[in-house]
Amino acid sequence: NAGVTQTPKFRVLKTGQSMTLLCAQDMNHEYMYWYRQDPGMGLRLIHYSVGEGTTAKGEVPDGYNVSRLKKQNFLLGLESAAPSQTSVYFCASSYPRRGQETQYFGPGTRLLVL
Amino acid sequence: SQQGEEDPQALSIQEGENATMNCSYKTSINNLQWYRQNSGRGLVHLILIRSNEREKHSGRLRVTLDTSKKSSSLLITASRAADTASYFCATDDRGGGADGLTFGKGTHLIIQP
Repeated sequence: NAGVTQTPKFRVLKTGQSMTLLCAQDMNHEYMYWYRQDPGMGLRLIHYSVGEGTTAKGEVPDGYNVSRLKKQNFLLGLESAAPSQTSVYFCASSYPRRGQETQYFGPGTRLLVL
Repeated sequence: SQQGEEDPQALSIQEGENATMNCSYKTSINNLQWYRQNSGRGLVHLILIRSNEREKHSGRLRVTLDTSKKSSSLLITASRAADTASYFCATDDRGGGADGLTFGKGTHLIIQP
């Protein structure tokens, strides 16, 4: 199993450009999450999904949109990138059952917005 | 807002020594988890302790939880160079992790050979 994979690994954008980050998991997990990590900070939740076709806002959702059209994929979109969105983005997934609350993380996408 | 706050922010010890890091949180929780992050990598789950548990062990890891003080500690015994990483506590406020975890800012641990 590949676990959680993220595409791309690194991207440079100019202010105002758009892009989509792709997260894929092959563990049949129901829950998926997008976090961002800034220097010296822990992870902050952007958006999450508890199942195919459903999404919800996390702690810092402004400037981002998400879609979960397929159970195994969770897309994070930036419609008009801003320098404040320079960060490392992590996707995670988990299984909705007591005793299996562990979140499995992807390797991250480094995004630089100029 | 950050739920967990780790202490210390950075810790440097000699290989073979024990490393202790602490986490404080603000609201009631269902469980508390510890994760490790190696430089430039994703987070890896280490251990989970539930709100009705006081202590848990996994290999060289020992976690304690004091819900009355809203605090947890992670002890790594007999440290190794490979333990060099950042360690984060994360709380599950509602159970099942449906709406994500709330992470602290982390403790950066350096093991000197």
